[in-house]
Amino acid sequence: EAQVTQNPRYLITVTGKKLTVTCSQNMNHEYMSWYRQDPGLGLRQIYYSMNVEVTDKGDVPEGYKVSRKEKRNFPLILESPSPNQTSLYFCASSLLDRPDNEQFFGPGTRLTVL
Amino acid sequence: EDQVTQSPEALRLQEGESSSLNCSYTVSGLRGLFWYRQDPGKGPEFLFTLYSAGEEKEKERLKATLTKKESFLHITAPKPEDSATYLCAVQATSGTYKYIFGTGTRLKVLA
Repeated sequence: EAQVTQNPRYLITVTGKKLTVTCSQNMNHEYMSWYRQDPGLGLRQIYYSMNVEVTDKGDVPEGYKVSRKEKRNFPLILESPSPNQTSLYFCASSLLDRPDNEQFFGPGTRLTVL
Repeated sequence: EDQVTQSPEALRLQEGESSSLNCSYTVSGLRGLFWYRQDPGKGPEFLFTLYSAGEEKEKERLKATLTKKESFLHITAPKPEDSATYLCAVQATSGTYKYIFGTGTRLKVLA
């Protein structure tokens, strides 16, 4: 089944404790992206990647790191999480040459930073 | 600055009562405008992509249209299962491949 998977789905952590949220897709998509979703602010893009070893900032990259060492994986790293990073996070992927550029979203990771 | 504004924030309709959702956008150049549907607790699901003014796309009870400044998502004779949050996003031609999303319209269709 074609899908985007994220782990963990739920995470409660404390300020300053480094964490990684994994994202994997099995559709051989070039484009991968991370978003955060907050009430009243909508979906905001954190980072995206056009292909292996190619990453670029979205609108809210501060406090986050990403890497794209393999085409299928795009982990999101919070080196020193803070309470303002408490949010619902989505990973997404898409092909670059499809006419509709449809993004496929993962199920989400709900992160709470105490 | 690229920007997307959706209205209304929330909409309640009776089953069968048609209406439209609005997405106004400001971009330096439009690469594409996208509509997604999001159910509570789930990731967004793709509905449509529009690329140029005058373009229209349809899927079941939904029809998306595009002008140079805004897009409409028309819902004809909605059913309770159409209840969801509808998200609009744009991608600009400014050399990046960023997506800018609006804050969405929460639609509730009452039986």
